[in-house]
Amino acid sequence: AQKITQTQPGMFVQEKEAVTLDCTYDTSDPSYGLFWYKQPSSGEMIFLIYQGSYDQQNATEGRYSLNFQKARKSANLVISASQLGDSAMYFCAMKGLNTGTASKLTFGTGTRLQVTL
Amino acid sequence: GAVVSQHPSWVICKSGTSVKIECRSLDFQATTMFWYRQFPKQSLMLMATSNEGSKATYEQGVEKDKFLINHASLTLSTLTVTSAHPEDSSFYICSAEEGQGYRNEQFFGPGTRLTVL
Repeated sequence: AQKITQTQPGMFVQEKEAVTLDCTYDTSDPSYGLFWYKQPSSGEMIFLIYQGSYDQQNATEGRYSLNFQKARKSANLVISASQLGDSAMYFCAMKGLNTGTASKLTFGTGTRLQVTL
Repeated sequence: GAVVSQHPSWVICKSGTSVKIECRSLDFQATTMFWYRQFPKQSLMLMATSNEGSKATYEQGVEKDKFLINHASLTLSTLTVTSAHPEDSSFYICSAEEGQGYRNEQFFGPGTRLTVL
């Protein structure tokens, strides 16, 4: 079974500052993928960044970077230079090794980020 | 990224009626589609996984006779909430995946907000 834990129900950050959203995971799969999604108040799920368990380098996508520490089973999302439009709910998710059936995403409980002036 | 549409974006219905929600992959063939349910301020809960041409696989606790899923083609899956009741009011989101594997990204639809009076 897979489990994602996001311990920060809410976070505040000032505009232009960096913020780290925590995510820890647990899985018995030898290979897995970690995803971060952003959900604004409109409800759509916006893909932000992906990290594979065997990727040598931490993933980066523009202002988003993933601090992947495999031994600690953590995959924290770092948002640099926060913008007001970053205010949203953020979900960490994972899926395990493909076993020939559809690989399901397991979501964390989410962190609500509020960017202030 | 690939585009997934959902229709309708919101629906209000009377208790006891049935509601159909469509999920379409617009520019790719979806090997697998997923249906999620999200209550306010909560995470996404997977309801079922559907593959084209076969019966959906429901998660534990999800009533298959109440939430009918049809995946008739590689670009269309439908969720029918039968005999809807107020407790079925929720945000329903579909996602679609091309191919399988832990590296594969799921593309999400914009969601459907269902209100049962």
